[in-house]
Amino acid sequence: DADVTQTPRNRITKTGKRIMLECSQTKGHDRMYWYRQDPGLGLRLIYYSFDVKDINKGEISDGYSVSRQAQAKFSLSLESAIPNQTALYFCATSHSRDSLEDNQPQHFGDGTRLSIL
Amino acid sequence: SQQGEEDPQALSIQEGENATMNCSYKTSINNLQWYRQNSGRGLVHLILIRSNEREKHSGRLRVTLDTSKKSSSLLITASRAADTASYFCATDEDSNYQLIWGAGTKLIIKP
Repeated sequence: DADVTQTPRNRITKTGKRIMLECSQTKGHDRMYWYRQDPGLGLRLIYYSFDVKDINKGEISDGYSVSRQAQAKFSLSLESAIPNQTALYFCATSHSRDSLEDNQPQHFGDGTRLSIL
Repeated sequence: SQQGEEDPQALSIQEGENATMNCSYKTSINNLQWYRQNSGRGLVHLILIRSNEREKHSGRLRVTLDTSKKSSSLLITASRAADTASYFCATDEDSNYQLIWGAGTKLIIKP
């Protein structure tokens, strides 16, 4: 989905390095998410943000931090990378609704393949 | 935690045949969503079915939901080579509006 752009697409780095993955969107959505995907495990939520001033931890936030610089930008940082953070990372966005059914379809970027040696 | 579990893990069929994938989940839901992921790409939303709906169609896709069995199925009719992808179901936890994802079904369509 070209409306959600992730950079870089691929990154190889060494243990202990600080890494930032960036995500920007032109969909005008208020909600943004960071996931990691590992083979056989599906997607796991790292952090999510419902607006610029709202940041929430997901299932696996340890070792990660995020920054919502603007409605359109949501970055993920690994302060000191370790090999088991090697994975495919996805950013996603969605639109919120004032309804009981609050989970709207999510729109994904093409991912960042991160390898930590 | 993994809410949705897809079955089978992998499926290989001939072009033109129908493909059926299943998803089971554990807790009550507001809705269930199906996504497709082509190799090396992000996930693409296919269909959302609400807990009060039993069946939904979109083109060659048909999704059913059985809340009594906590299960859903995705049927792709008249499969094409372009349908080769991984398919994921995702359900919501009604406490915090997050989606919980299954591990996916890898579908291969043989020409």
